[in-house]
Amino acid sequence: SQTIHQWPATLVQPVGSPLSLECTVEGTSNPNLYWYRQAAGRGLQLLFYSVGIGQISSEVPQNLSASRPQDRQFILSSKKLLLSDSGFYLCAWSVREYEQYFGPGTRLTVT
Amino acid sequence: EDQVTQSPEALRLQEGESSSLNCSYTVSGLRGLFWYRQDPGKGPEFLFTLYSAGEEKEKERLKATLTKKESFLHITAPKPEDSATYLCAVQASGAAGNKLTFGGGTRVLVKP
Repeated sequence: SQTIHQWPATLVQPVGSPLSLECTVEGTSNPNLYWYRQAAGRGLQLLFYSVGIGQISSEVPQNLSASRPQDRQFILSSKKLLLSDSGFYLCAWSVREYEQYFGPGTRLTVT
Repeated sequence: EDQVTQSPEALRLQEGESSSLNCSYTVSGLRGLFWYRQDPGKGPEFLFTLYSAGEEKEKERLKATLTKKESFLHITAPKPEDSATYLCAVQASGAAGNKLTFGGGTRVLVKP
């Protein structure tokens, strides 16, 4: 069966510090991968998606970047965090056009 | 641009009091409409996919229906464990990366 992991689960970082969030998927090959951000009490905003190794599409211009160094690994990064980067970050995977499955999320607080 | 609007934003129910959640959408050709359940502090959990108007799906006390402009999630005789945020999303035909567009969600609280 397929499993998706995200770490860390929670993170508190000062403004201006770097960020690296990691997502890995097990039990499937060549998945589509997605990074979302969810503000408190709000819906999901798609940040990046990837259909293959090294292929990244950005949905919203911002302070973040994404990379996919391996088939089942997706990384979200920032060189300098802003207060507005705080939120709940979710990674998801899908096979072709079917439903997406989400990881447990990372709660990021920028202070 | 694809848009999804969910109503109401919040819903308080007594245990056993059935109700419906609405998801209105505009999309340039619907490939699929998805329902998710999200518990506080957790990632969304997939519930249903609906592909065409008239289609219905059921799971325990939940039943999802689809028309050409909206979807409903009916909760029959809810229990406190049905308390969660319910999210609706659409996927357009030919969507790049097969991406989804989500609504803002409906927070459901079922009181015993």
